[in-house]
Amino acid sequence: GNSVTQMEGPVTLSEEAFLTINCTYTATGYPSLFWYVQYPGEGLQLLLKATKADDKGSNKGFEATYRKETTSFHLEKGSVQVSDSAVYFCALGRDDKIIFGKGTRLHILP
Amino acid sequence: EAGVTQFPSHSVIEKGQTVTLRCDPISGHDNLYWYRRVMGKEIKFLLHFVKESKQDESGMPNNRFLAERTGGTYSTLKVQPAELEDSGVYFCASSTHQGSPLHFGNGTRLTVT
Repeated sequence: GNSVTQMEGPVTLSEEAFLTINCTYTATGYPSLFWYVQYPGEGLQLLLKATKADDKGSNKGFEATYRKETTSFHLEKGSVQVSDSAVYFCALGRDDKIIFGKGTRLHILP
Repeated sequence: EAGVTQFPSHSVIEKGQTVTLRCDPISGHDNLYWYRRVMGKEIKFLLHFVKESKQDESGMPNNRFLAERTGGTYSTLKVQPAELEDSGVYFCASSTHQGSPLHFGNGTRLTVT
């Protein structure tokens, strides 16, 4: 079946550190891939997406590349800020459903 | 434009009671989805409406859960009777058409004691 596995948190980093949150997926066919973010007290927001192999999604300094050969969609940011503290969800879209991973809580220390 | 709104933001009820969650999608969005996140686990799909019709309700856990979307506008999700394992955050999302980006509400945190 379709599923998403992402690294467990919490992840704690200092400001300006490099961030990687790993995400791998299992799916039939060619799903779209997403990263959603939930800031404290807010709903889920789409952070970035990629719809086909080798596509790179980017937004707010975050990037993720759709790697079909490794079935991965790792989230990266070169220099994190305190305001990036949130819960990040990797997800795939298939048959008009979004299937989410468990979420990774990120804490950025000033 | 106003976003997806959910009410209440928090609800604490006792086992056996009934709770009704409400979702107001973005105006004009025909697609409405309900999701649930149990503590520490994935956000799981519950069901999908297209206008007032249930397109897919394969994620509904059991018959204690009833979702409606009369008139194709707002939706309600009723849990009756509530059990301890129903605790979690219930998210609603809407979109203009299938395959377009989902807009999520802030969620309703349900605690069953």
